[in-house]
Amino acid sequence: GDSVTQMEGPVTLSEEAFLTINCTYTATGYPSLFWYVQYPGEGLQLLLKATKADDKGSNKGFEATYRKETTSFHLEKGSVQVSDSAVYFCALSKGDDKIIFGKGTRLHILP
Amino acid sequence: EPEVTQTPSHQVTQMGQEVILRCVPISNHLYFYWYRQILGQKVEFLVSFYNNEISEKSEIFDDRFSVERPDGSNFTLKIRSTKLEDSAMYFCASSEMTGTKDIQYFGAGTRLSVL
Repeated sequence: GDSVTQMEGPVTLSEEAFLTINCTYTATGYPSLFWYVQYPGEGLQLLLKATKADDKGSNKGFEATYRKETTSFHLEKGSVQVSDSAVYFCALSKGDDKIIFGKGTRLHILP
Repeated sequence: EPEVTQTPSHQVTQMGQEVILRCVPISNHLYFYWYRQILGQKVEFLVSFYNNEISEKSEIFDDRFSVERPDGSNFTLKIRSTKLEDSAMYFCASSEMTGTKDIQYFGAGTRLSVL
């Protein structure tokens, strides 16, 4: 069935470091791809999305490009901040009701 | 900014008991969802609900589970005869529309511990 695999955490970086969180997916058809973020004590928030191949989603300095040839949607940020510490979830949707999530990657940014 | 509210934040129950998890979706949303995340596992879809009916449900959503929108603001998940394996974080979500254009807004979750 359809699934999402993302890198295991936790990931610990120093402030201003470059961030990559890897995500690959398995799905039939043409899913939409998402990154959600969960800050401590809060719900899952949509960070960015891409709906077709080669689309780039971006928000708050984060970017991810929909790569159909490698079935990937890696999350990147050029310079992370302490406030980026959170759990990041890669996810896909095929237009029905459910979103299929990865396990989540916990990110710690040290000052 | 409108948000989805879930109560309680943590629910502890004895195995075999019934629990009700409560959610207040965003007021103008029409589609409602429940997901769960067992510790260390993926967030999994349980059920979607629209127009007072279940739209879709997963294999996890067996006959011990039920959902209800008892009034114009609340959306509840009831689990009867709870089992140890029901222990998880349960997330409620809502959206204005379904399909590829929808964005689901999530609550902070209710942690259910079955002892």
